[in-house]
Amino acid sequence: SSELTQDPAVSVALGQTVRITCQGDSLRSYFASWYQQKPGQAPILVIYGQNTRPSGIPDRFSGSSSGNTASLTITGAQAEDAADYYCNSRDSSGNHVVFGGGTKLTVL
Amino acid sequence: QVHLVQSGAEVKKPGSSVKVSCKASGDTLINYGINWVRQAPGQGLEWMGGIIPIFGRTKYAQKFQGRVTISTDDSTRTTYMELSSLRSEDTAVYYCATEAVAGTNWFDPWGLGTLVTVSS
Repeated sequence: SSELTQDPAVSVALGQTVRITCQGDSLRSYFASWYQQKPGQAPILVIYGQNTRPSGIPDRFSGSSSGNTASLTITGAQAEDAADYYCNSRDSSGNHVVFGGGTKLTVL
Repeated sequence: QVHLVQSGAEVKKPGSSVKVSCKASGDTLINYGINWVRQAPGQGLEWMGGIIPIFGRTKYAQKFQGRVTISTDDSTRTTYMELSSLRSEDTAVYYCATEAVAGTNWFDPWGLGTLVTVSS
């Protein structure tokens, strides 16, 4: 399968920990990358590879993977973390890129 | 650091074509890719295809095969995405994004996006 599945919406209380998941067969072979997108803005990369944060991304963002599921964890969520989060990966052939449908994170 | 500047918004008629540009500046990368991702209003991100400029090699999503052409001008470090036979469902923001190491699906940075509106 070339699809990546994400929960449409997740909420978290301010300061608490939240996990956003991404499921797909290709994740057994390829790492997911994670993107944050706020309204009216371009996406930004927050996690790539096994668990690497680009420069400038807070260390409360972390990534992990098990079997066909990749996870983005925000430890101590802040109000500014409210956004849409997308995962992407290679498809099972490795030739193409696929995105998950996105998860809208609400920080309460 | 690489910086991507995209061309301006376009309004097109159904059945026509649009060509969006994406000019890179800053650090010189070697084995990198430029990918195109679109986002329809209120919808998620959709990968359209990409190119590895040093090889001129392109890959297209099956959905857009035959309708999209991605090309590059090495002399100006500009990548183009042309989409033909436009229909209303193609109304979207079109982003280019750098894949710093081709084949890794790590897209960083992204351009600011180009709004393409298809309307009669």
